[in-house]
Amino acid sequence: DAKTTQPPSMDCAEGRAANLPCNHSTISGNEYVYWYRQIHSQGPQYIIHGLKNNETNEMASLIITEDRKSSTLILPHATLRDTAVYYCIVINSGTYKYIFGTGTRLKVLA
Amino acid sequence: SAVISQKPSRDICQRGTSLTIQCQVDSQVTMMFWYRQQPGQSLTLIATANQGSEATYESGFVIDKFPISRPNLTFSTLTVSNMSPEDSSIYLCSVKKPSNTEAFFGQGTRLTVV
Repeated sequence: DAKTTQPPSMDCAEGRAANLPCNHSTISGNEYVYWYRQIHSQGPQYIIHGLKNNETNEMASLIITEDRKSSTLILPHATLRDTAVYYCIVINSGTYKYIFGTGTRLKVLA
Repeated sequence: SAVISQKPSRDICQRGTSLTIQCQVDSQVTMMFWYRQQPGQSLTLIATANQGSEATYESGFVIDKFPISRPNLTFSTLTVSNMSPEDSSIYLCSVKKPSNTEAFFGQGTRLTVV
């Protein structure tokens, strides 16, 4: 399973876009990039996923580089409630085993 | 989405005892997983719960310590056996439904062993 690398922490001003990077240089062709977040004391919450095209939903946008070795999660207008640990995970579509890295602790500042 | 109920939500147990955690889903799912999250750490996959057969354990986890059952497509249990303070963690159930590509997580069981 491909490993991911994320910065341990980031700050973002409320109302601004939060851009969270993830490196997954060993990703293989049948592996997807998934993003989850974990707000304190809760189970991880699904945000978005993609294979090679950019994706957008009501929560966020996902930008995947053309070589698929890295991606960026974008929260367009961060709020205080977006303060959480964000996990980038590479998933094999056959096993669906989630191997969590250390994630990025995002703090949204008022 | 999936509605996942984990019981108990928290417990304080004596060392040497065992605790069984239940995971109930509101609809049939294809895959069920159990994770552990030690204090201040990320999530670690314990095992995949297989319906009607033995669970598939990840490296570092064994059936004698973490027996798992999955009698049907909506229910699974994880037992933490012969507990020690090092087993103090949050234990989470995760499921994948046939109609979704993403997995959903329960709210977890916070276990403290004293």
